[in-house]
Amino acid sequence: DAKTTQPPSMDCAEGRAANLPCNHSTISGNEYVYWYRQIHSQGPQYIIHGLKNNETNEMASLIITEDRKSSTLILPHATLRDTAVYYCIVRVGGGGYSTLTFGKGTMLLVSP
Amino acid sequence: DSGVTQTPKHLITATGQRVTLRCSPRSGDLSVYWYQQSLDQGLQFLIQYYNGEERAKGNILERFSAQQFPDLHSELNLSSLELGDSALYFCASSVGSDSGNTIYFGEGSWLTVV
Repeated sequence: DAKTTQPPSMDCAEGRAANLPCNHSTISGNEYVYWYRQIHSQGPQYIIHGLKNNETNEMASLIITEDRKSSTLILPHATLRDTAVYYCIVRVGGGGYSTLTFGKGTMLLVSP
Repeated sequence: DSGVTQTPKHLITATGQRVTLRCSPRSGDLSVYWYQQSLDQGLQFLIQYYNGEERAKGNILERFSAQQFPDLHSELNLSSLELGDSALYFCASSVGSDSGNTIYFGEGSWLTVV
């Protein structure tokens, strides 16, 4: 799997947008970018994923640069419950199997 | 609620013992994954099954084994337990095994070896 680079920690004020960056400069054409988060030892929670185009769902938006070498996860209005470790994962496909390789992620702290 | 169910939620056992962790995937999901999360190692992929067949193996010890049954539930067997096996064990599932199929995680089983 292509490796990702994320800042170890970020802060955000409640109600503001949280923009979490991720670098994946070695990504290949068939590799998806996935974002998960984990709130204090709960199961990792799926947020969003994309291949080439920007994506939006009820939780967040995913902005992928045109060269696909980096992406940004946007939580439009962060709440205290969004405090968690956020993982950016580049997932390779093909060969009949595809797993998720977790790195250290970004610890996002949302403060009042 | 992801729809992935794991039992037991908590388990305390002694060194040298054997335990079985159980996972029921989301309805309709054919692929099951097992992950281990310890304090010093982060989330580590152990093994994947798809429709009863092993598809991928990660950092799974020889003392550990898994299987997926015809009803698609899966079990992770941990034997000759050591103190270092204390960890959170997550099961996850997806409808297929391709990279575009989203993987959903259960809430985990806490294993404490004393």
